[in-house]
Amino acid sequence: EVQLVESGGGLVQPGGSLRLSCAASGFTFSSYDMHWVRQATGKGLEWVSAIGTAGDPYYPGSVKGRFTISRENAKNSLYLQMNSLRAGDTAVYYCARGIDTNGVCYFDYWGQGTLVTVSS
Amino acid sequence: EIVMTQSPATLSVSPGERATLSCRASQSVSSNLAWYQQKPGQAPRLLIYGASTRATGIPARFSGSGSGTEFTLTISSLQSEDFAVYYCQQYNNWPGYTFGQGTKLEIK
Repeated sequence: EVQLVESGGGLVQPGGSLRLSCAASGFTFSSYDMHWVRQATGKGLEWVSAIGTAGDPYYPGSVKGRFTISRENAKNSLYLQMNSLRAGDTAVYYCARGIDTNGVCYFDYWGQGTLVTVSS
Repeated sequence: EIVMTQSPATLSVSPGERATLSCRASQSVSSNLAWYQQKPGQAPRLLIYGASTRATGIPARFSGSGSGTEFTLTISSLQSEDFAVYYCQQYNNWPGYTFGQGTKLEIK
């Protein structure tokens, strides 16, 4: 059974940093692109970052330069280092497994999410 | 950025009836369109990918159609467990996947 379990969320002050983790099980982690998607309370979904099987990272403009995605295949783990956090980064952060179809991905499994709150 | 617009924002339907949800892309996304269902306090669940292919374990009452810029999710006979928020997602523009704002399907 595929499982994705996020951790590391919490309350952080504006300008602070936080590192999220996602523990994967039930599949060959190294063979899949992995993603982070966030959702502000009562709002829609926003893709935040991705990492390919070769470790190549991708970001949208809203987080580029502040967030760093990484993976550790030996530990079946995905990470998101978030720096220079802003109030607008407050959200539930989900990790999701990407299914590659000709170089683009949809998400077939999602974790339960971890809440990040940026507030003074 | 490709903007995805879902309509209506809220849809009120009685159990047993058909529900039709729409999703429009600001430019063509070919058939690289997915639909997700989200219930309160839960993660999104993949329903449809490739605009019309049901994901594993998804009941046949869920169907997707469309290509290019216009897409539809149809639920043929609503069950109580189908009342939720539904999101479409384009995955044609990489890197830059975007989601619609969601349609809340509520009991009439």
